[in-house]
Amino acid sequence: DGGITQSPKYLFRKEGQNVTLSCEQNLNHDAMYWYRQDPGQGLRLIYYSQIVNDFQKGDIAEGYSVSREKKESFPLTVTSAQKNPTAFYLCASGARGTGELFFGEGSRLTVL
Amino acid sequence: QKEVEQNSGPLSVPEGAIASLNCTYSDRGSQSFFWYRQYSGKSPELIMSIYSNGDKEDGRFTAQLNKASQYVSLLIRDSQPSDSATYLCAVKGVAAGNKLTFGGGTRVLVKP
Repeated sequence: DGGITQSPKYLFRKEGQNVTLSCEQNLNHDAMYWYRQDPGQGLRLIYYSQIVNDFQKGDIAEGYSVSREKKESFPLTVTSAQKNPTAFYLCASGARGTGELFFGEGSRLTVL
Repeated sequence: QKEVEQNSGPLSVPEGAIASLNCTYSDRGSQSFFWYRQYSGKSPELIMSIYSNGDKEDGRFTAQLNKASQYVSLLIRDSQPSDSATYLCAVKGVAAGNKLTFGGGTRVLVKP
């Protein structure tokens, strides 16, 4: 089955801790994206990558970091510098240059 | 002014009626337009894409694009309770570095 797998689905974090969200795709897509969604809101872009070993900041990159060492993988680290990390995090992939994205099931992060 | 604007709703329609959703955007150089459906607690899924002025039909869905007036709309014919979801408008524009910008979404409730 082709698709995007995000893990964990639910994550609880204490203040001051870094956490890493996993995103793996087997759709052979060049581009991968991380979005954040707050209750009742649209999606805001955190980071994106159009090709392996390259990534760019989105609109709300502060307090987050990413890597793209493999085409299939685009993990997101939520650092302690992110002041309000409780949110629904969505990973997506697509052919480079397209807006037709495929999303993973999401990871719901709660800071205790 | 937000880059992509949608009425948050809820838009309440009786079963079998037509649901009409609107979206306006600010970047006149935008070239690609998308509608995503998001069920509560789930991730978005692409339902329509439109690239040129006019109408595009796919089953019970029709997307309409008017670049001169900078709006894109989505019609859902013969609305079903299973259409109850939030519909996200997304625009890919030059001003945003060809990134996809999402609106806040319109919540649709189809009442039996």
